[in-house]
Amino acid sequence: ETGVTQTPRHLVMGMTNKKSLKCEQHLGHNAMYWYKQSAKKPLELMFVYSLEERVENNSVPSRFSPECPNSSHLFLHLHTLQPEDSALYLCASSPSGSETQYFGPGTRLLVL
Amino acid sequence: QQQVKQSPQSLIVQKGGISIINCAYENTAFDYFPWYQQFPGKGPALLIAIRPDVSEKKEGRFTISFNKSAKQFSLHIMDSQPGDSATYFCAASRTGTYKYIFGTGTRLKVLA
Repeated sequence: ETGVTQTPRHLVMGMTNKKSLKCEQHLGHNAMYWYKQSAKKPLELMFVYSLEERVENNSVPSRFSPECPNSSHLFLHLHTLQPEDSALYLCASSPSGSETQYFGPGTRLLVL
Repeated sequence: QQQVKQSPQSLIVQKGGISIINCAYENTAFDYFPWYQQFPGKGPALLIAIRPDVSEKKEGRFTISFNKSAKQFSLHIMDSQPGDSATYFCAASRTGTYKYIFGTGTRLKVLA
């Protein structure tokens, strides 16, 4: 297992719920990432934070709201999601940009 | 120009055989090419990576072959084992950016 942890590991939510995904990295890295992984599609980069500043936002719908309070923690706040948002959400970290990214185990999200 | 095309989608190999997965890219600015291995229920883990200044990199049973002129790179798994059964992703990125462009993945099954 890597030094990136994610909670919860599984989440079922209704379309009107609000929930948050949490990621924590214990590697001393400066950059953190959120990815969405759906079946038979490439991993989709959602957000990138470097030194707690958002440096990338890949046209993600506003129902996904990231938060990076410090370089070790990253959150993804979810509200009024759609069933097509059901996927595995992966967090990753790297020492800086363009270096090896280390992934957490993911949160399996099901939106009913 | 941002795509990375990966093939095959799935691969079945006998124990002891060679597994070969191919990727092709278009953007000549890419200069870092990692391969990730993902087991069910886990996040992707870095397997091996290469930069375009070398044509081959070997780590144990895993070898990356890189053809800069053809804009292709491939992963070879020698003496494939049932424990290698997983999904493999290639990726490409450019120094100075935070973006990895991932392939769609290859599901490898090694028969005992």
